[in-house]
Amino acid sequence: NAGVTQTPKFRILKIGQSMTLQCAQDMNHNYMYWYRQDPGMGLKLIYYSVGAGITDKGEVPNGYNVSRSTTEDFPLRLELAAPSQTSVYFCASSFPGLAALGNEQFFGPGTRLTVL
Amino acid sequence: DAKTTQPPSMDCAEGRAANLPCNHSTISGNEYVYWYRQIHSQGPQYIIHGLKNNETNEMASLIITEDRKSSTLILPHATLRDTAVYYCIVTGGKLIFGTGTRLQVFP
Repeated sequence: NAGVTQTPKFRILKIGQSMTLQCAQDMNHNYMYWYRQDPGMGLKLIYYSVGAGITDKGEVPNGYNVSRSTTEDFPLRLELAAPSQTSVYFCASSFPGLAALGNEQFFGPGTRLTVL
Repeated sequence: DAKTTQPPSMDCAEGRAANLPCNHSTISGNEYVYWYRQIHSQGPQYIIHGLKNNETNEMASLIITEDRKSSTLILPHATLRDTAVYYCIVTGGKLIFGTGTRLQVFP
């Protein structure tokens, strides 16, 4: 199994540009998540999904959009990039568990995004 | 905001046990204690979780006090590859990451 994969690894955007960060998992997990991590800080939840066709906002959803058309894929869309979105973005997936959304999550390697 | 308090950094000699403390005095009855770690700039890695009882797996042990207001993650024989940021998370749902403890294992 490849686990959770993310593309691209690095990207530089100009202010106002748009892009989609790709995330895929091959573990048949229902739950998928997008986080961002600013330098020296912990991860913050942007959006999550409990299954195909179902998404919900996390702590910091502004400026982002998501869709979940298949179990495997969970792309994150930035419509109008701003310098405040410079961060490392991590995708994760999990099975549902007793602690609901807190069940063991498997993380991808991250996408490092710079907005200039 | 994170519901946990952890020391910002700790050191440990290679081969010795690393004991990482975490305070979570406001934990409620249905919340679990989770530990993750993040090595350098990689994605976080799950270590262990527990509700009331002490737990052990191939990576670590988790000791939760009887009143559940604090816990300790124990890496029994730390290696250089255990150098990482360790996050203690209390949750009944979503993971809320704080800034964690930066553990430095030295030779």
